Amino acid sequence: EIVLTQSPGTLSLSPGDRASLSCRASQGVNNNYLAWYQQKPGQAPRLLIYGASSRATGIPDRFSGSGSGTDFTLTINRLEPEDFAVYHCQQYGTSPSTFGGGTKVEVK
Amino acid sequence: QVQLLESGPGLVKPSQTLSLTCTVSGASINSDGYYWSWIRQHPDKGLEWIGHIQNSGSTYYVPSLRSRVTISVDASNNQFSLSLDSVTAADTALYFCARATFEQQLTDWGQGTLVTVSS
Repeated sequence: EIVLTQSPGTLSLSPGDRASLSCRASQGVNNNYLAWYQQKPGQAPRLLIYGASSRATGIPDRFSGSGSGTDFTLTINRLEPEDFAVYHCQQYGTSPSTFGGGTKVEVK
Repeated sequence: QVQLLESGPGLVKPSQTLSLTCTVSGASINSDGYYWSWIRQHPDKGLEWIGHIQNSGSTYYVPSLRSRVTISVDASNNQFSLSLDSVTAADTALYFCARATFEQQLTDWGQGTLVTVSS
């Protein structure tokens, strides 16, 4: 199965900063079927990005995804207070689908 | 707007079977083009995809759990279920049900239900 490695484990930033989160796959992700989810404490994950770069319905344009093959990035421009959360990447191009270990974006 | 709600025992004894149900509202579980999925999250850990089922009854399970897991659909009640046999403490986790598109990104999630395996 494809192993996804997210880095860094924790990102300490201030509101208004730009966040750059990495997700690296152990082998190429078919069709760039890579998604990003945001999870806040006590809540279910919420889909942000799918297909590596397409924003899900209702997601603000400060969230953007990029990358292909084995290296993917989630960028959050101008962090808002509600953006401090844990972010997970998921590949769904090869069965079984797998998730990364998550990156926590915390207030500096 | 589709909503999913997990239900089932919060405490299961070791070696017994964990059984959870996901009730779907706002969409028909018989609709084509969706995968009805189960995902779990161990305490303070990442997410683990367990498996999914389509309205045809076709299933796929993660290999590490394949010998112990069954996902089934009850179309008459618009529900799908997870059964995990021979549980151990390692199966203690927050269990989510979710709906995935035909491409398999997970667009809609339940709130999750915590299952603890303990005697």
